[in-house]
Amino acid sequence: AQSVTQPDIHITVSEGASLELRCNYSYGATPYLFWYVQSPGQGLQLLLKYFSGDTLVQGIKGFEAEFKRSQSSFNLRKPSVHWSDAAEYFCAVVPSGGYNKLIFGAGTRLAVHP
Amino acid sequence: DGGITQSPKYLFRKEGQNVTLSCEQNLNHDAMYWYRQDPGQGLRLIYYSQIVNDFQKGDIAEGYSVSREKKESFPLTVTSAQKNPTAFYLCASSTGTGPSYNEQFFGPGTRLTVL
Repeated sequence: AQSVTQPDIHITVSEGASLELRCNYSYGATPYLFWYVQSPGQGLQLLLKYFSGDTLVQGIKGFEAEFKRSQSSFNLRKPSVHWSDAAEYFCAVVPSGGYNKLIFGAGTRLAVHP
Repeated sequence: DGGITQSPKYLFRKEGQNVTLSCEQNLNHDAMYWYRQDPGQGLRLIYYSQIVNDFQKGDIAEGYSVSREKKESFPLTVTSAQKNPTAFYLCASSTGTGPSYNEQFFGPGTRLTVL
């Protein structure tokens, strides 16, 4: 079945440490790829997106993500985490030809220790 | 400032009642969406509308209804037929051509609780 998988439900890192959040999808053709962030009780904010071209994309708040076609992955990274990055992160996919229908992963909740 | 507003922020409903959640956008976006969010399940699409006076069912439309009489407004009604309506509801919108049409902007959400 077509799906978006975020294998880590919860991740805890220390402030200043690096971060990688994993996202895998199971669609055959290259989809459009997104990462969103959600603070508790709030809406979602777009961090970055990939449509085509350079497979390393830069986003807001110092985040980046790399699309790896061979691994069907779009992992989110940040070299040094700040306490304000504590939130829930969602990977989302629009399947190729799946016109404006976002499919979301279940999310990864990030906690940051001082 | 352009954006998406949802009201109310918190809503309480008795069993058997219909309630309507408001979503308004001043971004001049053509498409609007309603999602439901439950803990550990990400977001699931309820309904979406690509243009005024037209809308389509998403993955979990049963027990919900919508209307799109104006470009800027896309209200969602949670009917008594929805068996488990307690959830966080998010409205979104998008515009543009090509891939950018898929970039959705979200409102702050409404938390609905059934008493």
